[in-house]
Amino acid sequence: TQLLEQSPQFLSIQEGENLTVYCNSSSVFSSLQWYRQEPGEGPVLLVTVVTGGEVKKLKRLTFQFGDARKDSSLHITAAQPGDTGLYLCAGFFSGSARQLTFGSGTQLTVLP
Amino acid sequence: GAGVSQSPRYKVAKRGQDVALRCDPISGHVSLFWYQQALGQGPEFLTYFQNEAQLDKSGLPSDRFFAERPEGSVSTLKIQRTQQEDSAVYLCASSPSGQGRDTQYFGPGTRLTVL
Repeated sequence: TQLLEQSPQFLSIQEGENLTVYCNSSSVFSSLQWYRQEPGEGPVLLVTVVTGGEVKKLKRLTFQFGDARKDSSLHITAAQPGDTGLYLCAGFFSGSARQLTFGSGTQLTVLP
Repeated sequence: GAGVSQSPRYKVAKRGQDVALRCDPISGHVSLFWYQQALGQGPEFLTYFQNEAQLDKSGLPSDRFFAERPEGSVSTLKIQRTQQEDSAVYLCASSPSGQGRDTQYFGPGTRLTVL
């Protein structure tokens, strides 16, 4: 079984603070995605990273893919209450063309 | 445009009952996926269709779970003789092509509670 470990599991911060969420595996990803899920909704794709060492920015969100393609991080700058939600990393492992494996998620709460 | 829709949104079943969950993918999308999301967990892959062909069902937890997509559009996930451990949110996703790493667009899910 190929596992994706996310940390922390829960994060509660004040508006304006910065935070980082981590996603790790012992296996190599061919590509990795980050999703955000709100209560009663399905996950919504935020970004896909493919190349080791890749960094992508989406407004206040910065996504980094590890050089060895086994880990990734999501950094949010100056968090806002609207950032509250469940953040999920998900990856296609090398050799698995269609099975998307999700991490267990990080529940982020940003307090006003 | 219309996204992926799922029905019912909520389903309560007594243990032992059969249930059928429906997914309407985005029109024209070739690929369709089913996932199971337990409370406080990330989604877990159940099965994958390319048009009407079920190409991967390795994630189905038991032979009580059955999925079909007979005309390559709407899909139904059926669970026979439901058990309490089947309680979860069942998510459907579709993607435009048959390439597995296309962006997947998720529906809102069906929350199944087995009493």
